Amino acid sequence: EDKVVQSPLSLVVHEGDTVTLNCSYEVTNFRSLLWYKQEKKAPTFLFMLTSSGIEKKSGRLSSILDKKELFSILNITATQTGDSAVYLCAVEANYGGATNKLIFGTGTLLAVQP
Amino acid sequence: ETGVTQTPRHLVMGMTNKKSLKCEQHLGHNAMYWYKQSAKKPLELMFVYNFKEQTENNSVPSRFSPECPNSSHLFLHLHTLQPEDSALYLCASSQGGWLATYNEQFFGPGTRLTVL
Repeated sequence: EDKVVQSPLSLVVHEGDTVTLNCSYEVTNFRSLLWYKQEKKAPTFLFMLTSSGIEKKSGRLSSILDKKELFSILNITATQTGDSAVYLCAVEANYGGATNKLIFGTGTLLAVQP
Repeated sequence: ETGVTQTPRHLVMGMTNKKSLKCEQHLGHNAMYWYKQSAKKPLELMFVYNFKEQTENNSVPSRFSPECPNSSHLFLHLHTLQPEDSALYLCASSQGGWLATYNEQFFGPGTRLTVL
């Protein structure tokens, strides 16, 4: 059965700390791995990763994918209270149909304290 | 309106009621999705439509009935729900289509459903 596992489940840090969130997966017909940030309701897109070893960066956030070891990490440097959210990892898979499917992990709840 | 919108944002219903959730996307996408998000569980895919055709039904009970009249609108009709169906229901859309490789999904704000 396809699955996506995130760790840690929750994390409390202080402003200015650097955090690393982990996502491992066992998925057949892998297409891509996506990271989302969910603060209140709708998840908002952060990164899409398709190739191993190529870091994607946006401000203080960066992410990298290892397709051999089947995992990805999301780094946040110099954390701010506004980074507090649930970070969702999802793997996009294709099962032969025209539309791909996203398989989500349970998320990592990050709390950044002042 | 931009992006993906959902109505209502909150819904409280009894087990014998019939209600519908509505989703509309303004992104020109061809694929639309219903997800269920319960506390402390991963997002669960419920239904997928591509070009108005249902391509996935993830073993969802028949008390949930989707409808996709066109590529921009998606409904979820609810009847005789159970209290355990209380959850956040998220709609999403993506480019979809044949041989679509990079299918980033854009989510709506969700409907918080409470079944009494």
